[in-house]
Amino acid sequence: DIQMTQSPSFLSASVGDRVTINCKASQNINKYLNWYQQKLGEAPKLLIYNTNNLQTGIPSRFSGSGSGTDYTLTISSLQPEDVATYFCLQHSSRPWTFGGGTKLELK
Amino acid sequence: QVQLQQSGAELAKPGSSVKISCKASGYTFTSYYISWIKQTTGQGLEYIGYINTGSGGTNYNEKFKGKATLTVDKSSSTAFMQLSSLTPDDSAVYYCARGGLPGLYWGQGVMVTVSS
Repeated sequence: DIQMTQSPSFLSASVGDRVTINCKASQNINKYLNWYQQKLGEAPKLLIYNTNNLQTGIPSRFSGSGSGTDYTLTISSLQPEDVATYFCLQHSSRPWTFGGGTKLELK
Repeated sequence: QVQLQQSGAELAKPGSSVKISCKASGYTFTSYYISWIKQTTGQGLEYIGYINTGSGGTNYNEKFKGKATLTVDKSSSTAFMQLSSLTPDDSAVYYCARGGLPGLYWGQGVMVTVSS
């Protein structure tokens, strides 16, 4: 199985900050990487698919990049409603595997 | 609008089984697979597998073979997951999601607690 190592596990940032979250795959996943946001008590919500495609309705402050084994989710200007846990998911090779999550809080 | 409505929380004893449901509405049920995902505090999110809602064909994560059994009832647009030989390690929130790859539409999750 492909291992997804997500960092950091916890992140504290201020409103307006630029935030980056990373996922590193144990092998090349050819940009088959999605990002999800999960707020407390809710199901995960798809933010970005296939590395850099913004899901309809998601604010443009969210963006994704990467290739090969290294991928990044960026929030360009953190807003209070972005407090959540973020997960990556690789869908290059079954079984699909998730990163361990990044819990983002406001400083 | 697309909705996936899951059944309620379950409290089960070790060694028993539970069957949770995921009722789809707002789209043609057989046009999309249904995936199942496990979430725990310790292990995070794990992909269990998916079912082809048209044919009933399944694909399981090796880790969940023998643990999870996926079925569908096309007449009621409902997908089911049975978890057998429950242990405390099966305590988790279980989600269904539309598609073989979890995308835009997820159920609300079902908490399964295994305790004697």
